[in-house]
Amino acid sequence: KQEVTQIPAALSVPEGENLVLNCSFTDSAIYNLQWFRQDPGKGLTSLLLIQSSQREQTSGRLNASLDKSSGRSTLYIAASQPGDSATYLCAVSDSNYQLIWGAGTKLIIKP
Amino acid sequence: NAGVTQTPKFQVLKTGQSMTLQCAQDMNHEYMSWYRQDPGMGLRLIHYSVGAGITDQGEVPNGYNVSRSTTEDFPLRLLSAAPSQTSVYFCASSWDRGLTDTQYFGPGTRLTVL
Repeated sequence: KQEVTQIPAALSVPEGENLVLNCSFTDSAIYNLQWFRQDPGKGLTSLLLIQSSQREQTSGRLNASLDKSSGRSTLYIAASQPGDSATYLCAVSDSNYQLIWGAGTKLIIKP
Repeated sequence: NAGVTQTPKFQVLKTGQSMTLQCAQDMNHEYMSWYRQDPGMGLRLIHYSVGAGITDQGEVPNGYNVSRSTTEDFPLRLLSAAPSQTSVYFCASSWDRGLTDTQYFGPGTRLTVL
């Protein structure tokens, strides 16, 4: 059974730092991996989608990488800002076309 | 485009009561799904639909029913609410089950069962 883990559960860093969020999964048979952002009391917003054949995707200050063989993905945030404070969730699309989710990393950027 | 809308935003029920959580999307997406989110856990799939008239169970379907009479609407029914169903519920939609296109989420319904 596919399991997705995100460590750490929470992270607090000063504004301006570059940071990396981690996501690991147990079964490499995935169709894609997605990173989402969740703000308190709101729904989820898609940030990046990486197909299983891809190694990385970039959007602005965000870069996500995927290493299927090791079951790992990282979300790199450059020059962090207070507005980046949110919970970041990763999810993999498994062999049954269903999304399996990690519990998220709560990120706080201190001004 | 309103995207994915959900009503109500908050709801308090007593054990044994029933209710329907509403979900609608205006993007003509075929795929719609319901998730629940509990503290410290990832989202878990309750039910999903690949088109009007077609529904199927997800990981945690017990105690919930769904129907899909139109492309736009996908209501979730709690048959007899239990405290274990206290959670935040999210509805999502996408073109193709999220294989090539991401899923779009509603703002959620926070449900408390006393």
